[in-house]
Amino acid sequence: EAGVTQFPSHSVIEKGQTVTLRCDPISGHDNLYWYRRVMGKEIKFLLHFVKESKQDESGMPNNRFLAERTGGTYSTLKVQPAELEDSGVYFCASSQDRDLATNEKLFFGSGTQLSVL
Amino acid sequence: GENVEQHPSTLSVQEGDSAVIKCTYSDSASNYFPWYKQELGKGPQLIIDIRSNVGEKKDQRIAVTLNKTAKHFSLHITETQPEDSAVYFCAASKGNTPLVFGKGTRLSVIA
Repeated sequence: EAGVTQFPSHSVIEKGQTVTLRCDPISGHDNLYWYRRVMGKEIKFLLHFVKESKQDESGMPNNRFLAERTGGTYSTLKVQPAELEDSGVYFCASSQDRDLATNEKLFFGSGTQLSVL
Repeated sequence: GENVEQHPSTLSVQEGDSAVIKCTYSDSASNYFPWYKQELGKGPQLIIDIRSNVGEKKDQRIAVTLNKTAKHFSLHITETQPEDSAVYFCAASKGNTPLVFGKGTRLSVIA
């Protein structure tokens, strides 16, 4: 069974440009999360989809970030225009059910390393 | 909201020794505490988790303990091996809320 896949693995762009990250969750997983790790800091929550609906987007930094999950399958995260402070590793994660306090687990992709110059 | 503190930030141990990483959390309603291992170039991989209805869980060389009263939990790795070298993250959740992570511990196992 394929795990969570993310594309691209690395992206180097200049300040002001646009970048789109893609995440394919594990097949059948309704819950999809985006997280970000800025160097040396914690992995921070960005937002959570349940199927195609945004359940929680309280972690999105500002309106330069736009996440979509059309059809409830893969998701994209667009940064437009990118700023220097957007650099970091963007992780996607998925789970079948939402409640981790039961026997559910959250699986992560390998991440996209974004460098804004 | 929840805040998770993780210590130490770096840890070096000799191969065969034990390693202990500690985390504290602030929200007493949190009831799910996973530990993730991140190797170079890979994403975080779940290695063990504990839910608040138990105080300890073991899986071969790794174990996690939870003290709900003190609001802290720890990861214990025994008989460390070079392949245990990685960044380890603790996290906490109320189950239906997103995971809140600590800042990570870089573990180096010296052969």
